[in-house]
Amino acid sequence: GAGVSQTPSNKVTEKGKYVELRCDPISGHTALYWYRQSLGQGPEFLIYFQGTGAADDSGLPNDRFFAVRPEGSVSTLKIQRTERGDSAVYLCASSLAGTSAKDTQYFGPGTRLTVL
Amino acid sequence: KQEVTQIPAALSVPEGENLVLNCSFTDSAIYNLQWFRQDPGKGLTSLLLIQSSQREQTSGRLNASLDKSSGRSTLYIAASQPGDSATYLCAVPGGKSYQGAQKLVFGQGTRLTINP
Repeated sequence: GAGVSQTPSNKVTEKGKYVELRCDPISGHTALYWYRQSLGQGPEFLIYFQGTGAADDSGLPNDRFFAVRPEGSVSTLKIQRTERGDSAVYLCASSLAGTSAKDTQYFGPGTRLTVL
Repeated sequence: KQEVTQIPAALSVPEGENLVLNCSFTDSAIYNLQWFRQDPGKGLTSLLLIQSSQREQTSGRLNASLDKSSGRSTLYIAASQPGDSATYLCAVPGGKSYQGAQKLVFGQGTRLTINP
């Protein structure tokens, strides 16, 4: 079956512009997670959804970052007034959640964002 | 606050050797630990998930152990092959849990190179 997909795979933008990154989770997965990974580092948590609601957004670095999941499936991460420090790979993951066997998070290939 | 550390940061060994990657975490109140593999420019692939009630999990040439009381996990790779070259990340759940979903806290990874 299809895995987690993310679009675009690469995004180059100029400082100050607005960007949207999209994530399509595995069908039927209730939980969806966003992480950010800088070069040579492990992924850092941004936000996760259980269904349509953001259950934990404590990792969003500031109010320029926002994410939605209006129908409990596809999610969009939105970044306003981009800064060079936002350059990173943005990873999305999904999981069934709820029981031990379903705790595994499955990751997409990521979107590489470069802010010039 | 949960912190995850992986040692060493990089490791280079000749093909055929058995090797051990280490992961430590500060808060032992976890219910599982997950090991991932990441190839350059790619997303994360889940290798093994160990529940807190288990001491180890095996998949092919990979064996992961978990010692909650000491806050440590190891990933053992037997008879290493050049195709095993990648970055290996460990992660534990952390933060707010909601309906079985919880963010992952990652180590910074071990970059493994297997030389033919």
